Amino acid sequence: DAMVIQNPRYQVTQFGKPVTLSCSQTLNHNVMYWYQQKSSQAPKLLFHYYDKDFNNEADTPDNFQSRRPNTSFCFLDIRSPGLGDAAMYLCATSSSPPTGGNEAFFGQGTRLTVV
Amino acid sequence: GNSVTQMEGPVTLSEEAFLTINCTYTATGYPSLFWYVQYPGEGLQLLLKATKADDKGSNKGFEATYRKETTSFHLEKGSVQVSDSAVYFCALKDAGGTSYGKLTFGQGTILTVHP
Repeated sequence: DAMVIQNPRYQVTQFGKPVTLSCSQTLNHNVMYWYQQKSSQAPKLLFHYYDKDFNNEADTPDNFQSRRPNTSFCFLDIRSPGLGDAAMYLCATSSSPPTGGNEAFFGQGTRLTVV
Repeated sequence: GNSVTQMEGPVTLSEEAFLTINCTYTATGYPSLFWYVQYPGEGLQLLLKATKADDKGSNKGFEATYRKETTSFHLEKGSVQVSDSAVYFCALKDAGGTSYGKLTFGQGTILTVHP
């Protein structure tokens, strides 16, 4: 049974056209993360939510925003996608406290193509 | 800051060969260490973990031991199968409470196993 679900699996968007990626979880975890993984690179954290508290990584571009309307859902908004934003976007969750050995559960990812 | 360094890939082996993928890390304090596996077009799956020095994580025939003296967490398997072909990521999670479980990943190692 899927626990972290990302939709869509594949998304094609036009250069500069806003796009939203979604993530839902059935684990009731407090913490949700968005990672960006460019081709043949390591995943890189963009931001995370701890409950409703939003935490941006220092080097995450302003073009990337996120919303978490409730515990189960989290959205990644890219306001004006550029060609350099083409990547796999991974959503993950973790129970509280997220430190130590608590596992992060990943979704299958959304592969974003910008044309 | 934290960092993880994995051996350069790709790694190509014949079925039943012995596998080692080296991983070393730099971190303050006592991080938790993880190996994640990513199959083509999929998200990340936790393979194994260790949360303190000398702990050995194991799963599906894979093993890794947390070596604080050498800051290493090398992945090993005695006899690989074609189905083990994937990308393997070593990762650490900061022990600090302010990191909210952020994972820092190595660059990934592509493993291909031939029959």
